[in-house]
Amino acid sequence: KNEVEQSPQNLTAQEGEFITINCSYSVGISALHWLQQHPGGGIVSLFMLSSGKKKHGRLIATINIQEKHSSLHITASHPRDSAVYICAAFGGSEKLVFGKGTKLTVNP
Amino acid sequence: NAGVMQNPRHLVRRRGQEARLRCSPMKGHSHVYWYRQLPEEGLKFMVYLQKENIIDESGMPKERFSAEFPKEGPSILRIQQVVRGDSAAYFCASSRTGTGGGEQYFGPGTRLTVT
Repeated sequence: KNEVEQSPQNLTAQEGEFITINCSYSVGISALHWLQQHPGGGIVSLFMLSSGKKKHGRLIATINIQEKHSSLHITASHPRDSAVYICAAFGGSEKLVFGKGTKLTVNP
Repeated sequence: NAGVMQNPRHLVRRRGQEARLRCSPMKGHSHVYWYRQLPEEGLKFMVYLQKENIIDESGMPKERFSAEFPKEGPSILRIQQVVRGDSAAYFCASSRTGTGGGEQYFGPGTRLTVT
């Protein structure tokens, strides 16, 4: 079993829909990353959080340390949000442990 | 402030050749990480370096792979005698701090194809 599990694996939405991607982890962590990987392959760091909630534009990330769970929300989704979203947890060292990613497709 | 730079972006090597992948961290960042993404798989940690030191190489294959981050110049990931299974995207990331999970910034990756 992977230490970081994401769901769903694939997600298709219509433009304007509210989207939630979930991440559960089994390791003790100091922080958690949400990353975005575009079809061209480049990776962008969206959020790093260790508690509570962060918001950037239409993106919101939350984390519940006790439940070992984080969510990434996208409000008013747009086709340009189509990408793979990856959750990654910092374990005991500076090593990131990655989820397998959620492929999001937003149709116009 | 330029982001993390990687070159080459695409590299084709024949089986048995050597591959050298370069990573220049963001200005002010002295912590470098290498990750590998095999086709249809998630990212996997390979190695964590600070200037002139390998801090954690627990994700590196035992043979043929090496990494360095010299005092001057980029970090280098070197793969000797490449095999088809080495075909993957190799990403480098850098951070300003290495403690407590410093935020990492990723480069565009090098896509290695072994023919």
